[in-house]
Amino acid sequence: RKEVEQDPGPFNVPEGATVAFNCTYSNSASQSFFWYRQDCRKEPKLLMSVYSSGNEDGRFTAQLNRASQYISLLIRDSKLSDSATYLCVVNIGRHDMRFGAGTRLTVKP
Amino acid sequence: EPEVTQTPSHQVTQMGQEVILRCVPISNHLYFYWYRQILGQKVEFLVSFYNNEISEKSEIFDDQFSVERPDGSNFTLKIRSTKLEDSAMYFCASGWGTVASNQPQHFGDGTRLSIL
Repeated sequence: RKEVEQDPGPFNVPEGATVAFNCTYSNSASQSFFWYRQDCRKEPKLLMSVYSSGNEDGRFTAQLNRASQYISLLIRDSKLSDSATYLCVVNIGRHDMRFGAGTRLTVKP
Repeated sequence: EPEVTQTPSHQVTQMGQEVILRCVPISNHLYFYWYRQILGQKVEFLVSFYNNEISEKSEIFDDQFSVERPDGSNFTLKIRSTKLEDSAMYFCASGWGTVASNQPQHFGDGTRLSIL
């Protein structure tokens, strides 16, 4: 099983749609979870941390299920500017972050 | 907003040559990292650095790699004898606390390394 596994994508959705991304991780000792976004040939940028109780930041909602080792990201009311690759990131140890391969999202007018 | 800065943005080097990639982390951050991303592949952890020493490293970070924080502001990655497969985007990142304590890392915009 891969350390961090994501939906393969790509997702092509119209503006205003709701889209959900899933991610599973293999290390049950992982404690910290993040969603980053990466635009083409750019650096990863932090979108949000993921907390045990779930958390929301505007149109973005993240959920964590430790028992299933599963993380999700929901984007509501998609904008053109949401088009990017979304990276699920999980810690291995104190410092080591492991990235999923990413799910590409294209939001179309 | 403070940023992690990396130089150069693009480095072209002959195979077998040494290369040094430079980074200036965010000033009050304590933890520093290097990652690489081969074109079309996922971001891969190389090494973390805290209190002037390596704290963790991946299996990719072999003897040809080294890191240094020579002057309290710069953080460098040296690749001693470059190979073709070292061609990638190299990202520096810094953080205020450990990632295990849910402190995120902030990334620079990368150095694209091309080995000929």
